[in-house]
Amino acid sequence: QKEVEQNSGPLSVPEGAIASLNCTYSDRGSQSFFWYRQYSGKSPELIMSIYSNGDKEDGRFTAQLNKASQYVSLLIRDSQPSDSATYLCAVRSGAGSYQLTFGKGTKLSVIP
Amino acid sequence: NAGVTQTPKFQVLKTGQSMTLQCAQDMNHNSMYWYRQDPGMGLRLIYYSASEGTTDKGEVPNGYNVSRLNKREFSLRLESAAPSQTSVYFCASPRGYEQYFGPGTRLTVT
Repeated sequence: QKEVEQNSGPLSVPEGAIASLNCTYSDRGSQSFFWYRQYSGKSPELIMSIYSNGDKEDGRFTAQLNKASQYVSLLIRDSQPSDSATYLCAVRSGAGSYQLTFGKGTKLSVIP
Repeated sequence: NAGVTQTPKFQVLKTGQSMTLQCAQDMNHNSMYWYRQDPGMGLRLIYYSASEGTTDKGEVPNGYNVSRLNKREFSLRLESAAPSQTSVYFCASPRGYEQYFGPGTRLTVT
């Protein structure tokens, strides 16, 4: 059973701080990793994808991947109240597979 | 360019009733997916279609059927709805490995 684990939160950070969201996965053969943001009552929105070890930066977002530790994280710099949402980690396992396994999400609250 | 669209947005059914959820994508993608999302359970794959004419079961297929009508459309049918099928249903279509979601259908079965 492929598992993706996230702390459910809520994670509360003050406005302007760095929010750090973490995710671990069980399948060592996993190939691709994604972070989705989901506002209450809305559909998941892809914000970051990462495919190789190391860091990937996009604006205020940085995704970090460590395949040896089976760990992927998302850092949000200069957090804004509009970042308050649930963040879903998703993992694609195995070459040729397009299926994603999702974590249950971490709820982030950015306090003004 | 609407991306992925779903109808209806909301639906209330009585136990035993049937209905079909519709999904369409205008991105010319080959594969399409149906998920359900329940509090505390995350997103779980119901069925998927890797290409027109093919469908496969996901993690939670029981009580559902699907039809890949053409490359654009992928429908999900509940033949005899049960309260356990109360959920939010999302259709998704990937570009490469990145999946893009429709707006969802909120279904309540009483």
